Amino acid sequence: DTGVSQNPRHKITKRGQNVTFRCDPISEHNRLYWYRQTLGQGPEFLTYFQNEAQLEKSRLLSDRFSAERPKGSFSTLEIQRTEQGDSAMYLCASSLASGSTDTQYFGPGTRLTVL
Amino acid sequence: AQSVSQHNHHVILSEAASLELGCNYSYGGTVNLFWYVQYPGQHLQLLLKYFSGDPLVKGIKGFEAEFIKSKFSFNLRKPSVQWSDTAEYFCAVRLDNYGQNFVFGPGTRLSVLP
Repeated sequence: DTGVSQNPRHKITKRGQNVTFRCDPISEHNRLYWYRQTLGQGPEFLTYFQNEAQLEKSRLLSDRFSAERPKGSFSTLEIQRTEQGDSAMYLCASSLASGSTDTQYFGPGTRLTVL
Repeated sequence: AQSVSQHNHHVILSEAASLELGCNYSYGGTVNLFWYVQYPGQHLQLLLKYFSGDPLVKGIKGFEAEFIKSKFSFNLRKPSVQWSDTAEYFCAVRLDNYGQNFVFGPGTRLSVLP
């Protein structure tokens, strides 16, 4: 399978703990995106990278959230001091930059449950 | 703030019925438009997209959508649905001059009865 992959698929943690998720994009894609999706809602944009540079961050991304893409390939999303409100599906997408017409392809997501 | 609305939260149809799912956005500039589908237990998959040109776009599995600029709409249609079309459908808009992020609608759940 050469699609976007995410690990782990499920994560259960206690409030106050730190968690880290990983996303491996489609190999030739240079853009990588993180979204959050809660039940009954569409995905909400969190941040995106072009190669290793983080170019946009949503105001949804509080100081407890940090994302990295150190070598321009895989990316990690870390949430520090998790809160129950962080429970959601975290989606990663990737695309190949082509001006203003690139298309995002999504991974299966990581479902986070904060107890 | 820019937003995307989808008219129906849950649509229930019988097989062979025609489908139209509404999508409207609030933004006056150039947009790229997408429909994604999420089958039960699966990840988001691209159904179709519009960037420019012919406002009637055809996607996979017999779906099509029409961009009507004057109505800020991008409705999804299929002439005859199948049980396997049961899924959640999301409209997404990329706003030109607003970077690379998409704004998604809340989704419409489609249930097709056999």
